[in-house]
Amino acid sequence: SYELTQPLSVSVALGQTARITCGGNNIGSKNVHWYQQKPGQAPVLVIYRDSNRPSGIPERFSGSNSGNTATLTISRAQAGDEADYYCQVWDSSNVVFGGGTKLTVL
Amino acid sequence: EVQLVQSGAEVKKPGESLKISCKGSGYSFTSYWIGWVRQMPGKGLEWMGIIYPGDSDTRYSPSFQGQVTISADKSISTAYLQWSSLKASDTAMYYCARLSYCGGDCYSAWFDPWGQGTLVTVSS
Repeated sequence: SYELTQPLSVSVALGQTARITCGGNNIGSKNVHWYQQKPGQAPVLVIYRDSNRPSGIPERFSGSNSGNTATLTISRAQAGDEADYYCQVWDSSNVVFGGGTKLTVL
Repeated sequence: EVQLVQSGAEVKKPGESLKISCKGSGYSFTSYWIGWVRQMPGKGLEWMGIIYPGDSDTRYSPSFQGQVTISADKSISTAYLQWSSLKASDTAMYYCARLSYCGGDCYSAWFDPWGQGTLVTVSS
């Protein structure tokens, strides 16, 4: 079965750029989606199909995908961006989630 | 507004049965797959399975096949997740979410929106 690998944690200084990676075998050939989950809340879709933002998601959130790594980039990080972030792909009619990354804004 | 509203928190004993629900509104319930996702305390997201309410076609994650049953009643726009005999290890938050799908060259699917979650606690 397909596996997605994310770092357990990423730290970023307030106002700087955070990058969260999602690794998988030839993941660039798949569409990657990203979710944000704040403590005590349900996940929210922030990027779909590699780089598309749903309505209501700030332009500070962007995504890219190539080779064996997909990346979620959060520009001008704010305290409110502190959350767990999960990548996800669709593989052989199965939903596959990464293990999640905790983003800390310092 | 597309919305999924889940049933309330449950406290059960090991061996008991349980059925939790997820009611959709604001869209054609029979035209989108609905999925269920488990989140154990302090852990990540785990996909359990999906159902297409239009014809009740159901797919399970290999990890959950035989452990739970997913169903839907399209007449009331509601999907269900049920257990016949709960275990302490079923203690978790359970989310439903609508699956958007693109076929052809795209061949992908993602969840949006999500329900608010149903906390299931199994303890003797």
